[in-house]
Amino acid sequence: GAGVSQSPSNKVTEKGKDVELRCDPISGHTALYWYRQSLGQGLEFLIYFQGNSAPDKSGLPSDRFSAERTGGSVSTLTIQRTQQEDSAVYLCASSLFSIRVRDEKLFFGSGTQLSVL
Amino acid sequence: EDQVTQSPEALRLQEGESSSLNCSYTVSGLRGLFWYRQDPGKGPEFLFTLYSAGEEKEKERLKATLTKKESFLHITAPKPEDSATYLCAVAMDTGRRALTFGSGTRLQVQP
Repeated sequence: GAGVSQSPSNKVTEKGKDVELRCDPISGHTALYWYRQSLGQGLEFLIYFQGNSAPDKSGLPSDRFSAERTGGSVSTLTIQRTQQEDSAVYLCASSLFSIRVRDEKLFFGSGTQLSVL
Repeated sequence: EDQVTQSPEALRLQEGESSSLNCSYTVSGLRGLFWYRQDPGKGPEFLFTLYSAGEEKEKERLKATLTKKESFLHITAPKPEDSATYLCAVAMDTGRRALTFGSGTRLQVQP
């Protein structure tokens, strides 16, 4: 079946512009995560959605970052007034929710490479 | 501060030359340790989950082990197709679902 789909795969923008990144999770997966990966770095958690619960936004680095998940499926990550330090690969992952986190397997998309000039 | 440290940062092996990657962690309570493989331009792909000290998981040429302070990913007789970045991540006893990732080990296996 189809995996996690992210679009666009590449985005080049100018400093100060707003960008929207999209994630289509695997059908039936109720849990959705956004992570950011800077060059040579590990993944940095941004936000987590699970079903109808309030999202965990604790990883968002500033109020320029926001995300929503419509209808429990597609998610959009929005970055307002982009800065050069926002340049990174933005990864989305989905999973079947499990009470025990150790039983939860994340399926990642290929990411959006964001470059802020 | 909770941390996940992977070593070495990069490793170059000859085909058939076995080795181990290390992931050490300092967390207040471990709810799970995960290994992922990441190929260039792709998202990470799940390999293993470990939870209890002494636990071992195997898949083809890979074996992951766990102690109270670290995990090892052993690669036996690697092939060039094992070349990738291997990421370790932990789930901590904080009530949050987010994983904390290490910065990875870039493995290159030469024929």
